[in-house]
Amino acid sequence: NAGVTQTPKFRILKIGQSMTLQCAQDMNHNYMYWYRQDPGMGLKLIYYSVGAGITDKGEVPNGYNVSRSTTEDFPLRLELAAPSQTSVYFCASSPQMGGGGNTIYFGEGSWLTVV
Amino acid sequence: TQLLEQSPQFLSIQEGENLTVYCNSSSVFSSLQWYRQEPGEGPVLLVTVVTGGEVKKLKRLTFQFGDARKDSSLHITAAQPGDTGLYLCAGAGGDSNYQLIWGAGTKLIIKP
Repeated sequence: NAGVTQTPKFRILKIGQSMTLQCAQDMNHNYMYWYRQDPGMGLKLIYYSVGAGITDKGEVPNGYNVSRSTTEDFPLRLELAAPSQTSVYFCASSPQMGGGGNTIYFGEGSWLTVV
Repeated sequence: TQLLEQSPQFLSIQEGENLTVYCNSSSVFSSLQWYRQEPGEGPVLLVTVVTGGEVKKLKRLTFQFGDARKDSSLHITAAQPGDTGLYLCAGAGGDSNYQLIWGAGTKLIIKP
């Protein structure tokens, strides 16, 4: 029962470094999402994808990039890490757009600290 | 900007007590979802409400969608330590048809 798998679980980055958060789902879902969760701020959508080869910006895309070469994988790239990117990152997927009768399935999260 | 405001932000009560948490907005949503998030994990869907005035029950949890589809409540009867977690509401179909709007959550602690 893998569902949505994220790696790494924890990472400390220095300012200006780059890294990629990996995300894979085995449910053959069309929609995939990257959220960040800051304390007391709820979930903010960074990027989302409606299928392989199609991505779009969410609410807070600056400083991030994504790609969707396959249905299963949706990596999130952080370029030139800044302290403001310290957060918990969640990858998620759903068969159709989240909401309504559609469940969004979340990974366990990646804790990122930029120092 | 659409907002979903959740209250209270934090609630700590004794096992066996009843509680209600709220999710309010000035915007109308076509549906609203409640998720529970435990420490170190991602949110997990509890329920979706889609009709104004709708009430759904999940064991000791009762969810209600407001008549005007702008607000929702979650009532827990006889709370148990296993109910501890962060409760998030998320609205769909408001001004933004492609994104869920998330509340900041209510952190609930049930003490044995």
